[in-house]
Amino acid sequence: SQTIHQWPATLVQPVGSPLSLECTVEGTSNPNLYWYRQAAGRGLQLLFYSVGIGQISSEVPQNLSASRPQDRQFILSSKKLLLSDSGFYLCAWSDGWETQYFGPGTRLLVL
Amino acid sequence: SQKIEQNSEALNIQEGKTATLTCNYTNYSPAYLQWYRQDPGRGPVFLLLIRENEKEKRKERLKVTFDTTLKQSLFHITASQPADSATYLCALDKGANDYKLSFGAGTTVTVRA
Repeated sequence: SQTIHQWPATLVQPVGSPLSLECTVEGTSNPNLYWYRQAAGRGLQLLFYSVGIGQISSEVPQNLSASRPQDRQFILSSKKLLLSDSGFYLCAWSDGWETQYFGPGTRLLVL
Repeated sequence: SQKIEQNSEALNIQEGKTATLTCNYTNYSPAYLQWYRQDPGRGPVFLLLIRENEKEKRKERLKVTFDTTLKQSLFHITASQPADSATYLCALDKGANDYKLSFGAGTTVTVRA
């Protein structure tokens, strides 16, 4: 069966520091991969998605970037965090364009 | 602009009753609509998918309807239990062969024992 991992689970970072969140999927090949952010009490905002290694599409202009160095690895990065980057970051995968399967999430607090 | 609206932010019901959640959308032509459950501090979990040519779908105590004329989906939890307490999100595809989903803000359901 397929599983999706995210780490770290929680992170507290100062403003201006770098960020690296990692997501890996097991048990499937060539998945579509997604990064979402969820602000408190808000819906899911799609940040990036990828349909293959090295293929990244950005949905919202921001100071975040994503990379997919391996088939089942998706990384969310920032060179300098802003206060507004605080939130709950979710990685998801799908094997087509229908159902998405989410990871446990990373709660990021920027101080 | 495209919009997905889910009814009232919170729904409180008595155990055993039926919870009915609404998802309305504008400026979408979805091929399907999905419902997810999200518990606090966790990622959403897929519950049901209904296609544009389907009127109703059931899974155990869950029932979903999809009216493309009204641009609305209803999500019912029958014989509700305290364990059904969670936030429920509806999601639409952004178009034919599009890998992206748009999510509503969710409705939080609390079932009282």
